[in-house]
Amino acid sequence: DVKVTQSSRYLVKRTGEKVFLECVQDMDHENMFWYRQDPGLGLRLIYFSYDVKMKEKGDIPEGYSVSREKKERFSLILESASTNQTSMYLCASSLSRGLTYGYTFGSGTRLTVV
Amino acid sequence: DAKTTQPNSMESNEEEPVHLPCNHSTISGTDYIHWYRQLPSQGPEYVIHGLTSNVNNRMASLAIAEDRKSSTLILHRATLRDAAVYYCILLNTGGFKTIFGAGTRLFVKA
Repeated sequence: DVKVTQSSRYLVKRTGEKVFLECVQDMDHENMFWYRQDPGLGLRLIYFSYDVKMKEKGDIPEGYSVSREKKERFSLILESASTNQTSMYLCASSLSRGLTYGYTFGSGTRLTVV
Repeated sequence: DAKTTQPNSMESNEEEPVHLPCNHSTISGTDYIHWYRQLPSQGPEYVIHGLTSNVNNRMASLAIAEDRKSSTLILHRATLRDAAVYYCILLNTGGFKTIFGAGTRLFVKA
């Protein structure tokens, strides 16, 4: 089975800190995604990447950046954390465009910014 | 991007069938219909997907309307472990963006 592993389940950071959320997948998937999930809003796409060193903005990229230096690893960076970035962050990966095999998600990182 | 509409919540009795509806009236010809579910404290997991024809797998069945403007996820015998949020999403051949709505929270009563 494909596994998507997020480095932390829970994280507490201070306002203004630079925060790194790491995601690793083990099945050679081309595409990787970062979502945030907030109550009542569902999942919203922050950034995605379809190849090493490639990235595309999703629906809510402001305040975030990403890095994909290796195929298996996709990092989400909060340049200067703010309280409105307190959320559940979900990483996902897919083979090709995900049409046939869908997405595989990690278990999520619950980030609290104080 | 095409949007999906689902009821906020539904309730079912254990061991009874559950039909979870999804409307996607603006679906395009190249949109695949995917269903995911999210158990408490976990990330979403893939359930089933289809394009035009009805689909069955070990987890569920997917019934797609002839005009493709709606679909229904069918759990044949609900168990307590099926209590989750179910998301209906559209994946397009032309891009990567995926819109997840708020989904349907399924409550299963013993």
